[in-house]
Amino acid sequence: GAVVSQHPSRVICKSGTSVKIECRSLDFQATTMFWYRQFPKQSLMLMATSNEGSKATYEQGVEKDKFLINHASLTLSTLTVTSAHPEDSSFYICSARDGGRRNGYTFGSGTRLTVV
Amino acid sequence: AQTVTQSQPEMSVQEAETVTLSCTYDTSESNYYLFWYKQPPSRQMILVIRQEAYKQQNATENRFSVNFQKAAKSFSLKISDSQLGDTAMYFCAFIVNFGNEKLTFGTGTRLTIIP
Repeated sequence: GAVVSQHPSRVICKSGTSVKIECRSLDFQATTMFWYRQFPKQSLMLMATSNEGSKATYEQGVEKDKFLINHASLTLSTLTVTSAHPEDSSFYICSARDGGRRNGYTFGSGTRLTVV
Repeated sequence: AQTVTQSQPEMSVQEAETVTLSCTYDTSESNYYLFWYKQPPSRQMILVIRQEAYKQQNATENRFSVNFQKAAKSFSLKISDSQLGDTAMYFCAFIVNFGNEKLTFGTGTRLTIIP
C-alpha cells in the first residue's frame, strides 16, 4: 500500500533554534500533503495544506512565518518550526493522498517535538 | 461548514465482545466520503474503513463494519469479536471531495479492550 515516511520520529531542541520535519511519499506522487498538530489526548488539528510548487495554505490562527512549509517535489514536503519555544512542543503528523488508491489519505508516523 | 461529532470520549469492553462507536456529521453536500481511523499507542494513523455516501450498502472490513444512516447523518463503527490490539483512539473523519480537500476529524473515542 501507499507509504508516507516522516522523519525524525522524535526531536529535542533548545528554545530559539529551528527544527525541520520531512514527509516523503515513498511509492506515489503527492501534489498535496497536509500537516497536522496533535496535543495529548486530542484530535488532529490541521495546520496547513502543502501544495507542490506553490505556497502552502495555512489554517486560521497558524503562523506561517513560524511554521514554514516547503513542497519542492512531488514526493517531499518539509515543515520547519522556526525559533521554537516550549509551547511548540507537540506531536506533528503529515499525510498525503494517493490518487490511484482506495485508501484516501495515508499518514506519516508522526514527529514528537520537545522544545527545552 | 462540515462538522464531525463523536459523543463518546471513552469506552471499554471485554475481549471478544462487540462494541459500537458513534459518529454524527453535518454537511449540506450530497456526495462525500466517511472514514474511521485508528490511532494505537504508537500514534500511527491507520485507516480502518471507508464509506462512500452514494453507496447504500454498509462497508465491511473483516471484524469492522459501519452503520451508515445518510438521512440521520450518522456513521457508527461496529467492532465484532474485539481483540486486545483494537485498543486505540478511533477518529471518525469526513471529506466532501478528494484532491486538495482536507479531512475533518471528530474528537475521537478512546477504546480499551479489557482482557
